[in-house]
This record gives sequence, structure tokens and C-alpha cells, in this order.
Amino acid sequence: NAGVTQTPKFRVLKTGQSMTLLCAQDMNHEYMYWYRQDPGMGLRLIHYSVGEGTTAKGEVPDGYNVSRLKKQNFLLGLESAAPSQTSVYFCASSYSGGIDEQYFGPGTRLTVT
Amino acid sequence: AQKITQTQPGMFVQEKEAVTLDCTYDTSDQSYGLFWYKQPSSGEMIFLIYQGSYDEQNATEGRYSLNFQKARKSANLVISASQLGDSAMYFCAMREPLSGYSTLTFGKGTMLLVSP
Repeated sequence: NAGVTQTPKFRVLKTGQSMTLLCAQDMNHEYMYWYRQDPGMGLRLIHYSVGEGTTAKGEVPDGYNVSRLKKQNFLLGLESAAPSQTSVYFCASSYSGGIDEQYFGPGTRLTVT
Repeated sequence: AQKITQTQPGMFVQEKEAVTLDCTYDTSDQSYGLFWYKQPSSGEMIFLIYQGSYDEQNATEGRYSLNFQKARKSANLVISASQLGDSAMYFCAMREPLSGYSTLTFGKGTMLLVSP
């Protein structure tokens, strides 16, 4: 039982390049989330999904796209990376909303130069 | 207005002492939940404790307890008998309302340093 895994762990991009971050969970959770963490800002929600085939915008969705084609996977895409997207990205999942805690992946450190 | 406010950027405590980390929240919903997470220097997010708005008793999990004062809209985390391994960033978060497709909103965190 691996929990929530993220690929890759580190990445350096040049401005304008694109990439996809992969999140996978093996807990059969319905809900999945993508956050970014910047110094002094806490975690901010980018996009989330409440089930396979669904996605919704969070607090800071601009510049990102997501897809949830399979229940266990949640992909975060950057079509044209910008230095402002330099951050640590966390994926999380939960069985449902409400009182269920979110389980987090180890994070991906992305630097855009 | 911020939904979650953690006013202490950093806190220092000596080993074996108790420490309280402050969290105040802003909501007009009657049904909401408050969560605390720990982030050690290794980076992972670890769930610590949960308190629901309708829970009559303060939540406790081992050395962690939540001092929930609904009228003051505060949900402070109390760590008893601090250990060196408690040194970490601590985040308070809220989900409101508890039903439907609501999501977590995090505070900016408090860095706790435990000294020997």
C-alpha cells in the first residue's frame, strides 16, 4: 500500500516549456487535489476532482490544467511554464469530502528558470 | 478576509513542556471542520487531529489536543510534553461546509522549534 505517490520528485523547466505531474493513489479514494506551497503562503488549492472524469477549479487555477481519466490518477499540466510557477506541488486524496482527512503525497519541487 | 489565521510565524518551546499553537477562523457556515497538519523538514504533510463544529468535546489524539472555542472562532492546537521530533511547520485548515464538494483552506502555518 503505497498511499499517494507523485512523479517526478524534482524538475527544472525553462520558461515556456510544458510538463505533466502525475499523482497516483491506491486507496480507492474518490476525491483528489492539487496544491502548491510557496514560502509564507501555506498551501493553496489549484484544482480538485470529486470523482473519475470530473475536475473543478480551486483558488489558484490559472496556468494549470488537470485530468482525471482514471480514478487512481490525477494529472496536473503546465502548458507554458512561467517563473511564477516555481513552487512545491502536493497532491492529496480523500475518501470523500466532509470529515475525511486528506492524505498527501511527498511533493514535487518545480523550478522554472 | 483570511478564512484561517495563524498569528504566530514561529514558536520556541523546551523539550517536555506544553505548547499552544493558535488558529482562528472565519466562517458563516454552521457546519464546518477544522484540521491540523504537521510538516516536518522532510516535507510530507501529516494529519494530526480533527474537530467538527458540532462536536461537543474537544478532540484529542495522544499528545495532541484541540482547544475549540466556537464563540471565539478559535481552534488552537495544544501539544503536551514536547519532543524534539515535534519541530516542524504546523498548519491549521478548515473545510466549510462539511457537506457537498467543499475543500480545505489552509492557514500560513506556524514553525515550531523544540530545544533540548
